[in-house]
Amino acid sequence: GENVEQHPSTLSVQEGDSAVIKCTYSDSASNYFPWYKQELGKRPQLIIDIRSNVGEKKDQRIAVTLNKTAKHFSLHITETQPEDSAVYFCAARPPGGSYIPTFGRGTSLIVHP
Amino acid sequence: DSGVTQTPKHLITATGQRVTLRCSPRSGDLSVYWYQQSLDQGLQFLIQYYNGEERAKGNILERFSAQQFPDLHSELNLSSLELGDSALYFCASSPPGPEGPTEAFFGQGTRLTVV
Repeated sequence: GENVEQHPSTLSVQEGDSAVIKCTYSDSASNYFPWYKQELGKRPQLIIDIRSNVGEKKDQRIAVTLNKTAKHFSLHITETQPEDSAVYFCAARPPGGSYIPTFGRGTSLIVHP
Repeated sequence: DSGVTQTPKHLITATGQRVTLRCSPRSGDLSVYWYQQSLDQGLQFLIQYYNGEERAKGNILERFSAQQFPDLHSELNLSSLELGDSALYFCASSPPGPEGPTEAFFGQGTRLTVV
């Protein structure tokens, strides 16, 4: 099955800095890569996703890049704000009728004012 | 609001007991997934149902079982509870896509505390 590794487990930045979270996956057939943000005590919510037919996607201060050859994808947050503080999970999905998102272990992002 | 409803939000029970967690997926979503999130842990996939049938199993203990009913709501049954079963249990549902289900929408979760 799919295996997703996520680094770092904790990331501390100053407000206004950029933050980068990296994930690798094992199944070269995976074709959908969502990123979720989970605030303390709340549910994970999708913030951005990318499919295997594109290499980069941006949404305001958030961007995701995908390198299919190396089987890794990254989340980039620019101009971080204290409200960006949360746990971020990456996931990978192989094709087929069963969508079983395999999640990374999460990155706790702390943005200091 | 994701449209996925989980009940109850909190549950406190004693070791050895049995509990049932309930999930109502978003309207039109046929896939339901259950995840367990322990303290400082990631999201561990337990089981998936699609239109009433079990589709995939993850690291689900034999003491745990689930089902999806004709109205597509799902229940996760946890029995012979142990202290280590204390966790946040999430249900997620997913709409169909051209290559199968796509984005997963999560419910608010049920926080289970076993004492």
